[in-house]
Amino acid sequence: GAVVSQHPSWVICKSGTSVKIECRSLDFQATTMFWYRQFPKQSLMLMATSNEGSKATYEQGVEKDKFLINHASLTLSTLTVTSAHPEDSSFYICSAGQSYEQYFGPGTRLTVT
Amino acid sequence: DAKTTQPNSMESNEEEPVHLPCNHSTISGTDYIHWYRQLPSQGPEYVIHGLTSNVNNRMASLAIAEDRKSSTLILHRATLRDAAVYYCILTRNTGNQFYFGTGTSLTVIP
Repeated sequence: GAVVSQHPSWVICKSGTSVKIECRSLDFQATTMFWYRQFPKQSLMLMATSNEGSKATYEQGVEKDKFLINHASLTLSTLTVTSAHPEDSSFYICSAGQSYEQYFGPGTRLTVT
Repeated sequence: DAKTTQPNSMESNEEEPVHLPCNHSTISGTDYIHWYRQLPSQGPEYVIHGLTSNVNNRMASLAIAEDRKSSTLILHRATLRDAAVYYCILTRNTGNQFYFGTGTSLTVIP
């Protein structure tokens, strides 16, 4: 099956700094990618839809100025958490679709101290 | 998006079949039924999907009720590696974003 990678797999940053997370579709092109957030013991929550060459679409309640999404190519989407705070600590997962399946990345564990 | 309801947790003995139920009473005619599973600290993994007919693949079987208001994921012989959270998700078209419910946490007992 298709593979989606994420980098880094984990990151620790200080409060007030920004962190960029990359999501790549390794063997297929993706005009649309999705970003999810998952807190411990909870389900995945869709944050935004990343569209290649255009602006991302954010779910209600997700701050677009805090979670900047860029989808500059058909194989790469990035999520930047700006001015991170401890409450942003979470597991961030991206996905991209091919045919009837969504392929999920392995996730990025963000810890803000 | 249509909502799904699953039991919070289930247990199964190793090498026995497991039937994981999902209710989706508000499903529309064009909604696909997807099943994904998530192991701890990993991204979700595709298991199976269907529209109206029952489906089989190497991982599992999907039984869809005639009125499509419920479905059951069947693992024919549970192994310890099948211990995961299983999510039942409805989508309108291919490639749509997923709205995850709470899922069912499956424990496999050796």
